[in-house]
Amino acid sequence: SQQGEEDPQALSIQEGENATMNCSYKTSINNLQWYRQNSGRGLVHLILIRSNEREKHSGRLRVTLDTSKKSSSLLITASRAADTASYFCARTGKLIFGQGTTLQVKP
Amino acid sequence: DTAVSQTPKYLVTQMGNDKSIKCEQNLGHDTMYWYKQDSKKFLKIMFSYNNKELIINETVPNRFSPKSPDKAHLNLHINSLELGDSAVYFCASSQAPVEQFFGPGTRLTVL
Repeated sequence: SQQGEEDPQALSIQEGENATMNCSYKTSINNLQWYRQNSGRGLVHLILIRSNEREKHSGRLRVTLDTSKKSSSLLITASRAADTASYFCARTGKLIFGQGTTLQVKP
Repeated sequence: DTAVSQTPKYLVTQMGNDKSIKCEQNLGHDTMYWYKQDSKKFLKIMFSYNNKELIINETVPNRFSPKSPDKAHLNLHINSLELGDSAVYFCASSQAPVEQFFGPGTRLTVL
């Protein structure tokens, strides 16, 4: 399968804690993207990291990329209840998505 | 102001029926997509059109036929609906093969 695989499948934390989600992929990439999906909604683009970048920040989001391990991680710092959603990674081009990580942030 | 819109939002129908889902984007993008998300949240690409031309056609039964009358619209027609077609179908668009903008989804239930 060429799809990205997110890990863990489910994550439950308290508000204020950090949440880390991981993504592994099988083929080489040009870019890798992270998306968020709120329940019952479409996906929303969060951040894109290029293959020559190792880390990227956007607000409370931090994405890392390790092309040697074919993996990426998404860190959400100081989580809020509104961060409750599913998070997907996808390699750019013909976007290949995994099953996502379902994050629950408890108030 | 909706960037990517889909109709209907919900579709409940009997096995064997034919149905269509419409998608429109007002972003001026050249490329549009259809995805299927199953009950386990796996999101799989079905089709992609660039300027009304089919560029991606994944292994999808030929009961599914996309139609793009212009680059702002990509409709999905499904013939002889089966139980396994029940899913949420998402339309998306992009200007380049990077950030995609997704519609709100159409939840199809086949009884």
